Formats: sequence, C-alpha cells, structure tokens
Amino acid sequence: DTGVSQNPRHKITKRGQNVTFRCDPISEHNRLYWYRQTLGQGPEFLTYFQNEAQLEKSRLLSDRFSAERPKGSFSTLEIQRTEQGDSAMYLCASSYHRDRGYTEAFFGQGTRLTVV
Amino acid sequence: ILNVEQSPQSLHVQEGDSTNFTCSFPSSNFYALHWYRWETAKSPEALFVMTLNGDEKKKGRISATLNTKEGYSYLYIKGSQPEDSATYLCASALSSNTGKLIFGQGTTLQVKP
Repeated sequence: DTGVSQNPRHKITKRGQNVTFRCDPISEHNRLYWYRQTLGQGPEFLTYFQNEAQLEKSRLLSDRFSAERPKGSFSTLEIQRTEQGDSAMYLCASSYHRDRGYTEAFFGQGTRLTVV
Repeated sequence: ILNVEQSPQSLHVQEGDSTNFTCSFPSSNFYALHWYRWETAKSPEALFVMTLNGDEKKKGRISATLNTKEGYSYLYIKGSQPEDSATYLCASALSSNTGKLIFGQGTTLQVKP
C-alpha cells in the first residue's frame, strides 16, 4: 500500500462546469476525511465518512458539493456548477478508528482545482 | 468557534540556525494536538501527535512540547537544514470520536544554504 492516493492532481475547469475528484484511502482504514485549503489558510474540514456512512458535513459544504463513499472504499467529491471561489487544494485523509485509543490521519497529495 | 493560531506566518533562517514556532489553541474540549510538515507537491507528513499536558516528542532534530492548560504547543528545529524548508501545520482534535482536525494557517519556513 502506497498511502492515500488522490486523482487528478490538478484540474482546471471553466466556471459552471462540474468536476469530480477521487480519493483512495489506505486499504484498512475505515475513516475518510475531505479538507479544503485556500491560499494563506490552513486546511478546513469539509466532511468525513466511517465506512460508507457520511457522519458529518461542514457548513462550508454547500448544496453544490456532494461526497460519496460507496462500499466504504474509495470516495468521490463532486462540485457542481463550479465558481471561482471553489479554486483550492482539496485534501483527502484516512485513518483507522477503533473504539479505544486515538489514531492519526494520513493525507494524500491533494487535488488542486483552478476555476477560470 | 474554535481558532487555532500559528506564529510566525513565515520565517527565513540560515542553514544551521535553530528556530521555533508557536501554535495556540483553545484549551477547552481539547483532545489531541498534531504537527504536520507539508512540502510543496507532497502530502502533509505527520510529525507528532500529543495528547497529555507536558508531552514532549522528538524526531531527529525536531521536537515539540504541549501545554494543554494554557493552550499552546511549540515546535523546535535544531540546526535547520535546507531540506527542512516546508510549511508546518498544527491541528487540534476536539474529540477522538470524529477525528476531525482544526488546522492553523501554518508557518512557512525557508532555510537558506
């Protein structure tokens, strides 16, 4: 296993188009997180899954954003009708959660989205 | 509203200098504090995770301390090298239940040869 993998690495799209990103977590990890980082800011939480269930969504995640994790494996993040303000680095992270103890999350390299 | 603050925002040092960064976080509802190193075009790399007041962690020339009562953590780099150039992020976890992280804005370190 080579870690968390994200595709594509870069995406340039025209305003109003839909885009979809993919994240493949570390294989035994049951939790998967999406974060967004804009210039000069730290990553901001968007949503997370435990297995296939989406357990929390940030208010940053507008109706144009949807995330899925079918079968509890890879995840997709779709942005509909993109706006210039959606330009950012989208990071995915995964971790193995168990009832006791605390485990850290491992991050992918991110997908950089530019909306023109 | 939970704010994690880092200072300075950026830092330029000469090779061999020692340096340190600060991360402040609300001490209420604290569970864990993470430090990540993020180099351009790479994944954020986990450096340390600390949970207990007074924790000190070390990895090579890099070390970190944690004060949960006053809500701050320091990251130290001894004898900086050009390969230490990166953005250093700290993040607070409020609860182990979600694992959700609240990040600071990062400190960007540039080490000149």
